Amino acid sequence: QSALTQPPSASGSPGQSVTISCTGTSSDVGGYNYVSWYQQHPGKAPKLMIYEVNKRPSGVPDRFSGSKSGNTASLTVSGLQAEDEADYYCSSYAGSNNLLFGGGTKLTVL
Amino acid sequence: QVQLQESGPGLVKPSQTLSLTCTVSGGSISSGYWSWIRQHPGKGLEWIGYIYYSGSTYYSPSLKSRVTISVDTSKNQFSLKLSSLTAADTAVYYCASSRHGYNFDYWGQGTLVNVSS
Repeated sequence: QSALTQPPSASGSPGQSVTISCTGTSSDVGGYNYVSWYQQHPGKAPKLMIYEVNKRPSGVPDRFSGSKSGNTASLTVSGLQAEDEADYYCSSYAGSNNLLFGGGTKLTVL
Repeated sequence: QVQLQESGPGLVKPSQTLSLTCTVSGGSISSGYWSWIRQHPGKGLEWIGYIYYSGSTYYSPSLKSRVTISVDTSKNQFSLKLSSLTAADTAVYYCASSRHGYNFDYWGQGTLVNVSS
């Protein structure tokens, strides 16, 4: 199975909102409400930001939100802050105990 | 909060088998799913597989023939073995926890493995 498709880059100015997409198929993103998003700063381990499409773990700011429509999931970061600059990866359950990641999106805060 | 720490060799020769261990602290390994994920230099994340605490294993189809994941509940550890290594297996290897098997709640810091003669 192929990796999920993400744009390689996204950007926004402080205070603005930016949305990152994650496109899969009906066998993964579209078939299950098990999409998650991870933030990774350079040299650090990824951190869970969103799970089950739109749920935030404790401690994640509510500026981060998730949604899904058909085979495409989205992560929106509102009120951009400098510390939001990082790589973001989506992941989806793909059935039969298989998990897929997206290729990653580098978010730049201008 | 659960903490995970990977350990193992940083350099392995081609054709050999990589063995990594993940030690879990701050929680018991006797529940949930325990995963291995890797990241090639400058690239994205790749799920390798996971083990349910009871011992059931699930592997990525692309790596299934070379991967073995095991758990030692007495030591609160789980392990990865990856055989027939090539330079393409050079990556940072992460261990991670998952309560329900659909996402990765907590991650280790990662360990860089270089496959080279």
